[in-house]
Amino acid sequence: GESVGLHLPTLSVQEGDNSIINCAYSNSASDYFIWYKQESGKGPQFIIDIRSNMDKRQGQRVTVLLNKTVKHLSLQIAATQPGDSAVYFCAEIPPPSGYSTLTFGKGTMLLVSP
Amino acid sequence: NAGVTQTPKFRILKIGQSMTLQCAQDMNHNYMYWYRQDPGMGLKLIYYSVGAGITDKGEVPNGYNVSRSTTEDFPLRLELAAPSQTSVYFCASRPTTDRIYEQYFGPGTRLTVT
Repeated sequence: GESVGLHLPTLSVQEGDNSIINCAYSNSASDYFIWYKQESGKGPQFIIDIRSNMDKRQGQRVTVLLNKTVKHLSLQIAATQPGDSAVYFCAEIPPPSGYSTLTFGKGTMLLVSP
Repeated sequence: NAGVTQTPKFRILKIGQSMTLQCAQDMNHNYMYWYRQDPGMGLKLIYYSVGAGITDKGEVPNGYNVSRSTTEDFPLRLELAAPSQTSVYFCASRPTTDRIYEQYFGPGTRLTVT
């Protein structure tokens, strides 16, 4: 598959641990944020989103936290599984895109050991 | 539905050659996107389209051209290939909803320019 993991920050965890992946976004006026998962050889897949009027949102085994003061986003994965191994990207909707475009961050590779 | 399809999967070009990367979707989505992904980096938007006959530049449009004559197809043209265009190219589409995160990605085209 396509190698997108070269030179990425890497987080290595054991199966069953909780994982926290961090992202610093660039535009303080962005009002919508999204986390994507990209497995080797595939395009990104949506995980969870959050609007700027929220500071926390929970999904199935995942939680996104938003700190607008320091322009920081995090993705928490509970009970990490080997199938969670992938590259994780945050993305923001910057104005004045009119909700047409996304700006992606650099990504973090998550490696889960059995 | 086949979803978003891209051809070719791999291609090697010589400097100065031209080629067209094909992208098609069968979901009747209005929005379509072209991204490039360099090793260790997030996706950067090249061009996007909000409907047939309408295209707009993204973050990194130089060296590329697009057209959108039908809802289904959104080809990306490289006129004079340069080594800096070595990358993995992803096409994506989404329906006309507020859920901008709902982008469906193709499998990617790995392009090498030597």
